[in-house]
Amino acid sequence: GAGVSQSPSNKVTEKGKDVELRCDPISGHTALYWYRQRLGQGLEFLIYFQGNSAPDKSGLPSDRFSAERTGESVSTLTIQRTQQEDSAVYLCASSLQGMANEKLFFGSGTQLSVL
Amino acid sequence: SQKIEQNSEALNIQEGKTATLTCNYTNYSPAYLQWYRQDPGRGPVFLLLIRENEKEKRKERLKVTFDTTLKQSLFHITASQPADSATYLCALDAGNDYKLSFGAGTTVTVRA
Repeated sequence: GAGVSQSPSNKVTEKGKDVELRCDPISGHTALYWYRQRLGQGLEFLIYFQGNSAPDKSGLPSDRFSAERTGESVSTLTIQRTQQEDSAVYLCASSLQGMANEKLFFGSGTQLSVL
Repeated sequence: SQKIEQNSEALNIQEGKTATLTCNYTNYSPAYLQWYRQDPGRGPVFLLLIRENEKEKRKERLKVTFDTTLKQSLFHITASQPADSATYLCALDAGNDYKLSFGAGTTVTVRA
């Protein structure tokens, strides 16, 4: 596609349920990132993929969070047993090679609300 | 600890004036610094990148400076327009090759 696509755009769930968030990066981009943005706050790094591997998972807040990427394309972020503090916008971004001098292309995010 | 601090107050300016935003950082040694624009309900959009050996970079009505001694970047929007109203985020490389760390952003409102 022309840009980074995320789905769903909004997700409302009950505390304790599992959710899956999807990201379709720009075709040909080997680097993929997940960030979390709480209301009024900056972007919090979660995980970085280079191809299908995740060399940096250091930002995942707990073992309830996991992510995978397949076919050097689509990525899924899974949150198990959701908690109210998980409510935030989850942003996915991609870049050509994952170099520090490259710009990131972001999707519009998934607004997650945990009731 | 590492910190990236942007103007904590929102910026309200009159159309035609220059908006100046600051980004200060602590315990980073970035080779690159980037600025992004974020509109409500949307993801950030890249605006400008400046390298550590560049003092200033311009793009149309935007100007960015980067002072590695002061550990500060300034972002200027000249001849501001209501369409410039948005939140502006600075981001810098966290010392490895791939990770960008972001500030919390400054919200700019340009009134006609």
